[in-house]
Amino acid sequence: DGGITQSPKYLFRKEGQNVTLSCEQNLNHDAMYWYRQDPGQGLRLIYYSQIVNDFQKGDIAEGYSVSREKKESFPLTVTSAQKNPTAFYLCASSIEGSYGYTFGSGTRLTVV
Amino acid sequence: KQEVTQIPAALSVPEGENLVLNCSFTDSAIYNLQWFRQDPGKGLTSLLLIQSSQREQTSGRLNASLDKSSGRSTLYIAASQPGDSATYLCAVSNTDKLIFGTGTRLQVFP
Repeated sequence: DGGITQSPKYLFRKEGQNVTLSCEQNLNHDAMYWYRQDPGQGLRLIYYSQIVNDFQKGDIAEGYSVSREKKESFPLTVTSAQKNPTAFYLCASSIEGSYGYTFGSGTRLTVV
Repeated sequence: KQEVTQIPAALSVPEGENLVLNCSFTDSAIYNLQWFRQDPGKGLTSLLLIQSSQREQTSGRLNASLDKSSGRSTLYIAASQPGDSATYLCAVSNTDKLIFGTGTRLQVFP
């Protein structure tokens, strides 16, 4: 079955650590996205990529980094510069926006 | 800047009622509008996608309408069931990204 796989499901980060969230899709979609979800708030866009080796900052990119070396993969690194990283992170993909978006099952990141 | 608002923020109804969830957006220049369902702690499941040239879409007990000129969409749920309990999110798409509302949390009790 085609879809988006996010791993791990739960992730714990110590203060000052960088952690990387994985997102893989086998839908042959060109575009991929990372969103952050906090309680009581809507989803906010962190980064997006419409083509391999290219990506753009979203609304809340500070403290995050991404890479897009393969069409299927779009990992997100939460750096130590992100002061409040505890949140639910969702990855999505699309062929192009007009055909709708498909989401993964999410990664819950907690700072300990 | 595009802003998406969903009303009500929360809704609790008895089983069997017909429901209307509302979504409004400030910029009518959209590619499409998508309704999602999110269960607690889970990802988003796409329910309906309405292209900008369309007026409505239907899937089973769900019907979504789109009025671009007024910046509004409604999600109609017929004969609600306890299994419909979830958060419903509305999102609009422009050329390169999806912008979300804050959602309506629905509880359907037996």
